Amino acid sequence: DVKVTQSSRYLVKRTGEKVFLECVQDMDHENMFWYRQDPGLGLRLIYFSYDVKMKEKGDIPEGYSVSREKKERFSLILESASTNQTSMYLCASSFKGARNIQYFGAGTRLSVL
Amino acid sequence: RKEVEQDPGPFNVPEGATVAFNCTYSNSASQSFFWYRQDCRKEPKLLMSVYSSGNEDGRFTAQLNRASQYISLLIRDSKLSDSATYLCVVNMRNTDKLIFGTGTRLQVFP
Repeated sequence: DVKVTQSSRYLVKRTGEKVFLECVQDMDHENMFWYRQDPGLGLRLIYFSYDVKMKEKGDIPEGYSVSREKKERFSLILESASTNQTSMYLCASSFKGARNIQYFGAGTRLSVL
Repeated sequence: RKEVEQDPGPFNVPEGATVAFNCTYSNSASQSFFWYRQDCRKEPKLLMSVYSSGNEDGRFTAQLNRASQYISLLIRDSKLSDSATYLCVVNMRNTDKLIFGTGTRLQVFP
């Protein structure tokens, strides 16, 4: 069974704090993705990675950065959290290939106060 | 225009009913199609892939119409446990990225 684990289910941070969201997958997937999900807007891609140390911007990368030092781990970093980054963050992973399914972690609900 | 559009619903149907959702996509370069299911406060999970010839998985039937650029999902004999949000998902050629619709909410009542 594929497992994608996100380090926290709920986080509360203050404006201006640096925030790290961690994601680990155990299926040796090449691809890893970070999304945020907001009501009425659906899932929006923030960043993705096709390989170790490789990253590409998604649709809404502003205010975020990522790190992929090991194949199984993909971190999302909010350099200076702002209230408009309050959201549900979802990590996903997949094998390379057009028809390959993405598997999601349980999500981290981040509140920035 | 959104790349993947769905009616947000909610669709409220009684147990045993048949319900259908449609989804349209704007980019003709789309090559792979999926339906994901998301339960309340949970992560999305793959329900089924959608193949050109249409495909069935138990009570669920998915269809693809490339000419009109839409995908459909039919659920027969609805169960209470089918209550969820159904996400239409599209993959473009030459990329592993997926594009998600905002979802259609289904509520099955007794």
